[in-house]
Amino acid sequence: AQTVTQSQPEMSVQEAETVTLSCTYDTSESDYYLFWYKQPPSRQMILVIRQEAYKQQNATENRFSVNFQKAAKSFSLKISDSQLGDAAMYFCAYRRTGNQFYFGTGTSLTVIP
Amino acid sequence: DGGITQSPKYLFRKEGQNVTLSCEQNLNHDAMYWYRQDPGQGLRLIYYSQIVNDFQKGDIAEGYSVSREKKESFPLTVTSAQKNPTAFYLCASSRRGGGSYNEQFFGPGTRLTVL
Repeated sequence: AQTVTQSQPEMSVQEAETVTLSCTYDTSESDYYLFWYKQPPSRQMILVIRQEAYKQQNATENRFSVNFQKAAKSFSLKISDSQLGDAAMYFCAYRRTGNQFYFGTGTSLTVIP
Repeated sequence: DGGITQSPKYLFRKEGQNVTLSCEQNLNHDAMYWYRQDPGQGLRLIYYSQIVNDFQKGDIAEGYSVSREKKESFPLTVTSAQKNPTAFYLCASSRRGGGSYNEQFFGPGTRLTVL
């Protein structure tokens, strides 16, 4: 069974600084997709960034980037120039063939002004 | 605008009562999902459906039931058999099949409280 592990229940970062959130996953598949979702206090889940396993290049979306290490089954999210609006719960997710998604337990990010 | 709607936003139920949570999408997605969210446990899959008139149990299906009579709708019934139903429920949808842009889109959620 696929599992997704986020080992940091809580993280904090100073405004304008950089923070990295960790995620590891377990799979025997070679073709899959990884996602980071943000859940602000409104509880609306928002897609932050996605990564295809067959691509070696790390995905980037503005201030958000990932460090994808396929062999290590690691998928960390880096947030640069942190802003107050980045404060949220962040979930790492894995999608296997067959359209099933698996989520980690989340990391609560606090941004300190 | 395309999206997913869930209603109601807040729902209160007495013990022993069944209650149905609504989920509607106009994204033309084939696949729909129901998740339960509890503090410290992330999202746990209750049921999912890849196509109309077909659905599969997720990890925590006991005490829940679903139907998928229309592509746009995937209602979830929380039955009296569910021992601890108080939680936040999220509905999601996605395109069916592979592809890079096959992420899940989420509704705003329903907070269910059992009194």
